[in-house]
Amino acid sequence: AQSVTQLGSHVSVSEGALVLLRCNYSSSVPPYLFWYVQYPNQGLQLLLKYTTGATLVKGINGFEAEFKKSETSFHLTKPSAHMSDAAEYFCAVSKGGSQGNLIFGKGTKLSVKP
Amino acid sequence: DSGVTQTPKHLITATGQRVTLRCSPRSGDLSVYWYQQSLDQGLQFLIQYYNGEERAKGNILERFSAQQFPDLHSELNLSSLELGDSALYFCASSVDATGDSRFGSGTRLTVV
Repeated sequence: AQSVTQLGSHVSVSEGALVLLRCNYSSSVPPYLFWYVQYPNQGLQLLLKYTTGATLVKGINGFEAEFKKSETSFHLTKPSAHMSDAAEYFCAVSKGGSQGNLIFGKGTKLSVKP
Repeated sequence: DSGVTQTPKHLITATGQRVTLRCSPRSGDLSVYWYQQSLDQGLQFLIQYYNGEERAKGNILERFSAQQFPDLHSELNLSSLELGDSALYFCASSVDATGDSRFGSGTRLTVV
């Protein structure tokens, strides 16, 4: 069975500081990995995804993530936080193939201090 | 705008009642997924349809059912509602079945 663990339900950073949100997964097959962002009272927006190929994936709003198979990790980073990055972030995994349903982590709420 | 439309946005109903949530996928998408988001369970996959056929089932209760129609819109039916069914219900769609999903803005269901 697949699962996702996000370390830290709350992360607080100062504006301009590095953002690092941690995600570890378990999967019996090569996974497809995703990061989504959810702003208050809104749906989920896809930030980036990894399916195959280059392990460093760049997404929207300056975010990127690196797939590390040996560490079963897919951490999300952004060099410099903006106030507008405050939101909840979800890491997700799918098997790909014909079953694309997502298994989500519990989410990490990011706060950005001025 | 994800292109995925969900109606209604809010729904308040009493225990024991039945409701129908509707989802129109993004144009061209064949796969529709339903998810439930609650404070205690987080985001949970309920069910997936692909081009009208059920493709995968998750933690969907027997009181819940779904279908995808020939025009590809989908409906999630929730019956014999309980207080614990109060949650945000999201629909997502993707071109194929590989999970690169775009999400609707959700239906917030409150059972009183």
